Amino acid sequence: GQNIDQPTEMTATEGAIVQINCTYQTSGFNGLFWYQQHAGEAPTFLSYNVLDGLEEKGRFSSFLSRSKGYSYLLLKELQMKDSASYLCASMDSNYQLIWGAGTKLIIKP
Amino acid sequence: GAVVSQHPSWVICKSGTSVKIECRSLDFQATTMFWYRQFPKQSLMLMATSNEGSKATYEQGVEKDKFLINHASLTLSTLTVTSAHPEDSSFYICSATTGTSLETQYFGPGTRLLVL
Repeated sequence: GQNIDQPTEMTATEGAIVQINCTYQTSGFNGLFWYQQHAGEAPTFLSYNVLDGLEEKGRFSSFLSRSKGYSYLLLKELQMKDSASYLCASMDSNYQLIWGAGTKLIIKP
Repeated sequence: GAVVSQHPSWVICKSGTSVKIECRSLDFQATTMFWYRQFPKQSLMLMATSNEGSKATYEQGVEKDKFLINHASLTLSTLTVTSAHPEDSSFYICSATTGTSLETQYFGPGTRLLVL
């Protein structure tokens, strides 16, 4: 079957590091996406991993382990504007996205 | 970068009326467009996938006669919510993929629909 799991909510402190985990079960796996969504807005693309390993892009990094069906999004030097929901989505062989429910990240000063 | 627009961004209507939402790819040709619905504090739910010039493929549980999708050109898709009811109130988001990058979906800013 198709399934995506990620924590519902996380809290972190400004300037710190936070890791948001995502596990998936996707037939015909074709890559893992992370999107950021601020309240009332559409998602914005953060990263796409299809090969195992870590991809770094500024303060944000994304990791994938295909054998474990596991990914994480790492956010460094947290800023207040990083308060948002982070959506994990896997792509199947038909290029369809299977979405997680999102992790609401709360940043405290 | 690839930009997708949606119009209107906000719509309030009376129960029983029909509402049309437009989704446009501004600087690229979108081979495929997707329509999503998102209720508060929930993830995106795919409603339908549309390819230019062909009928949309609807997800299970989505009424195709109620949510009419027209993908008349490579830059425009429309979603019409017919005979809208209060339970149709939601955030409707479209996304589009280019022919060369099927992996990445570019999202429109969303349309918030409130049916009174």
